[in-house]
Order: sequence, then C-alpha cells, then structure tokens
Amino acid sequence: SFELTQPPSVSVALGQTARITCERNNIGSKNVHWYQQKPGQAPVLVIYRDNIRPSEIPERFSGSNSGNTATLTISRAQAGDEADYFCQVWDSSAAVFGGGTKVTVL
Amino acid sequence: QVQLQESGPGLVRPSETLSLTCVVSNGSISSANWWSWVRQPPGKGLEWIGEIYHSGSTKYNPSLKSRVTITVDKSKNELSLKMSSVTAADTAVYYCASGRCNGGYCYKWFQDWGQGTLVTVSS
Repeated sequence: SFELTQPPSVSVALGQTARITCERNNIGSKNVHWYQQKPGQAPVLVIYRDNIRPSEIPERFSGSNSGNTATLTISRAQAGDEADYFCQVWDSSAAVFGGGTKVTVL
Repeated sequence: QVQLQESGPGLVRPSETLSLTCVVSNGSISSANWWSWVRQPPGKGLEWIGEIYHSGSTKYNPSLKSRVTITVDKSKNELSLKMSSVTAADTAVYYCASGRCNGGYCYKWFQDWGQGTLVTVSS
C-alpha cells in the first residue's frame, strides 16, 4: 500500500525554524498538500501543490518537494503554530495522508 | 468559501449502518466542486473515505469500498455518508470536506472542511 512517513514529533524553539518531512519513494513526482490541525479543530490547508500558500496562511509557512522527501517549513515559529501537521497526496485516485507530526514550540 | 456542517447520531451499535449528512451553505452542492468524507479515530491520523463529483461519479477508499456509499441530495444541498456493518474500529470523528473544480478540471486538495462529528460504535 502507498504510505507517507512523517516523524511523530518535532520540537522548535520560539522564533526558530521547524521542518516537517514527509517521505515516500519518488514523492517528488506527486503534488503534496499540507494541513494543520489544532486540538479539537478541523484540519486547515496550509500548503497545496508542494509550495503554494493559500492567501490566508502566513508567509512563514513554505513547502518544498523533491526526490523522496517533501518538507513543510515553519519559519519564526510562534506559539500558535503548535499543532499536528499532515501531508497528503493522491495515489491511484485515492487520497493518502501521512501519519501526522506534532509540532511543539518551546 | 463554502461552509460545511456534519450531523448524525453520535452512537451507533455494532453491525448497524452509520448515516451522516453534511449540509452545504454559502454555496450550492450542484456547483462544480467535489465533495468528500474523511475520518479520524481518536488520537490518530486522517483517513480518506471517498468522494463524489458534481457529475455524480464516486470514488471510494479500497479498504472501505464494500461498506460505503456517498450520495448528494441537491434539493437539500447536502452530502451524505452511509457505512454498513460498523465495528468499534469505525469509531472516529467524521469530516466532510470539499475542493474546487473549474472548467472541468478539479483541484485535488481539501480546501474546505466541516467541524466534524464524533461517531462512537458501541453496544
């Protein structure tokens, strides 16, 4: 089955940069989308098509995708960025999500 | 931006059928969008259930396909999900989500999400 591998957790100091990876063989050939989910809330789209940010998402969020790894980068991390983050692709017409990464801002 | 609101029974008995609806507001379910259901077991990740296009065509997660039906009721502007023969493993928060289509091309990311509804399968 098609699986996307994310680290379970990432910690980042306030104001520093967090990088969340999403790994799969040749993921660079697919469009990767990223969602932020805060406790008790629905997911929110933060990056689509690898590196495009919806207008309402801060510029601090960026994405990249190449080879076997897609990366969501959060620059100048804020306390409000604490959340779970999920990557997502389509494979054989089915949506597949990564297992999620919990980001903690220290 | 469409708004989505899920509803349905919070408790379903094992082996019975789970039925949920998602009302679409600030937009028409007949518009050129695609509509989907995603679920999340407590403390776990997201799982795609399936989708339906404005044309009425559907696609389902292969692991759930035999038990799932997604339909649209245009008169009520709502999306529905039926899942048969449920077990405790189907306990989850169920989200409806949607994406945009334009000129016959659909943008395949989940643009809008409902708040979700918790369904517990227990006797």
